[in-house]
Amino acid sequence: GEDVEQSLFLSVREGDSSVINCTYTDSSSTYLYWYKQEPGAGLQLLTYIFSNMDMKQDQRLTVLLNKKDKHLSLRIADTQTGDSAIYFCAESTGGFKTIFGAGTRLFVKA
Amino acid sequence: GAVVSQHPSWVICKSGTSVKIECRSLDFQATTMFWYRQFPKQSLMLMATSNEGSKATYEQGVEKDKFLINHASLTLSTLTVTSAHPEDSSFYICSAGHSGNTIYFGEGSWLTVV
Repeated sequence: GEDVEQSLFLSVREGDSSVINCTYTDSSSTYLYWYKQEPGAGLQLLTYIFSNMDMKQDQRLTVLLNKKDKHLSLRIADTQTGDSAIYFCAESTGGFKTIFGAGTRLFVKA
Repeated sequence: GAVVSQHPSWVICKSGTSVKIECRSLDFQATTMFWYRQFPKQSLMLMATSNEGSKATYEQGVEKDKFLINHASLTLSTLTVTSAHPEDSSFYICSAGHSGNTIYFGEGSWLTVV
């Protein structure tokens, strides 16, 4: 079945880059997403990438997709304390049904 | 941009009562909406797929008689937790599909059953 895995914790210093990794199993995934969830809040769509792309950049965010290895990463440049949150990797095979990873808790140290 | 709104954001109810959570797509029509549940420090688990004008499709292990889903219009889906118990306390969040395969999530609803 479909499965999305990501590491649970990441700690970085303010100003450094953060890289959050994710692997997925469904080779028919069409879209891959990164969501951010701050404490007590809902989900915020950060960015998404189509499966026929290998990179997408949006300001401080860079998404890399290795479709062969089914590996997705999110790089946050110049990480700030306000970036501290849970980051969810998710995949969709179309039809909007989304499968989520467990979430990576990013801690940014001042 | 597309907005999905949930109401209420927070609700406390007594054990044994029922509580309804609404999910609205504010500026687009959504034929399909999804309901997720999130336990503390865990990921979002898909509960059911809500289809406008038809019965919801429930994921394995989700009691359809306990979690009633109604998708009466293209902009509204409701989740009713019937005969709620403390173990139903959780964060419930809905999503709606928008054009281009983009999915937007509501703000979520915190349910506490006492």
